Amino acid sequence: QQKVQQSPESLSVPEGGMASLNCTSSDRNFQYFWWYRQHSGEGPKALMSIFSDGDKKEGRFTAHLNKASLHVSLHIRDSQPSDSALYFCAAHDTNAYKVIFGKGTHLHVLP
Amino acid sequence: EAAVTQSPRNKVAVTGGKVTLSCNQTNNHNNMYWYRQDTGHGLRLIHYSYGAGSTEKGDIPDGYKASRPSQENFSLILELATPSQTSVYFCASGQNSDYTFGSGTRLLVI
Repeated sequence: QQKVQQSPESLSVPEGGMASLNCTSSDRNFQYFWWYRQHSGEGPKALMSIFSDGDKKEGRFTAHLNKASLHVSLHIRDSQPSDSALYFCAAHDTNAYKVIFGKGTHLHVLP
Repeated sequence: EAAVTQSPRNKVAVTGGKVTLSCNQTNNHNNMYWYRQDTGHGLRLIHYSYGAGSTEKGDIPDGYKASRPSQENFSLILELATPSQTSVYFCASGQNSDYTFGSGTRLLVI
């Protein structure tokens, strides 16, 4: 069973719109979460982390974590064509000192 | 600027041949990782290391070996390459779950 599940697999939003990406973990050892972004032909790059319940805002990006439900989301407001990429949710397995990645969400921002 | 550099960027190998993928980091991170990325599977962990001389099996280690001769270098070795190992391979270095990835090696096994 995939320990970190992301939805949707693919998402299209108009330029200037709001994109919402979701991630759920099935393991309570996963307490720390990251969002990574990968543009075509490049390696993934860390976008932002969230370790505490609630919202964390960095510019146009807001992450939300609910530890009780092991659900984390990423919201991108005023989406730009340059935001088009593959977005990974990643959870830190504190028992194994490694990070587990979800399968990713393809975001397409339409001009 | 701290970075993770992978070589080669592209590689074509024959079935049964030996392939070595190299990774160098200037982040001075203790932990290094090898992932493969395939459509529909995301990033899957092959091997990782906590420091020079250590290697640990990840989630899909079969058919792969790893070597960490120094803090900076971490290699992935395919002793007998198979077509199923055709993929894009990423190396990463990390500290406290903040990973820096290389640009990837695209491997085609024919």
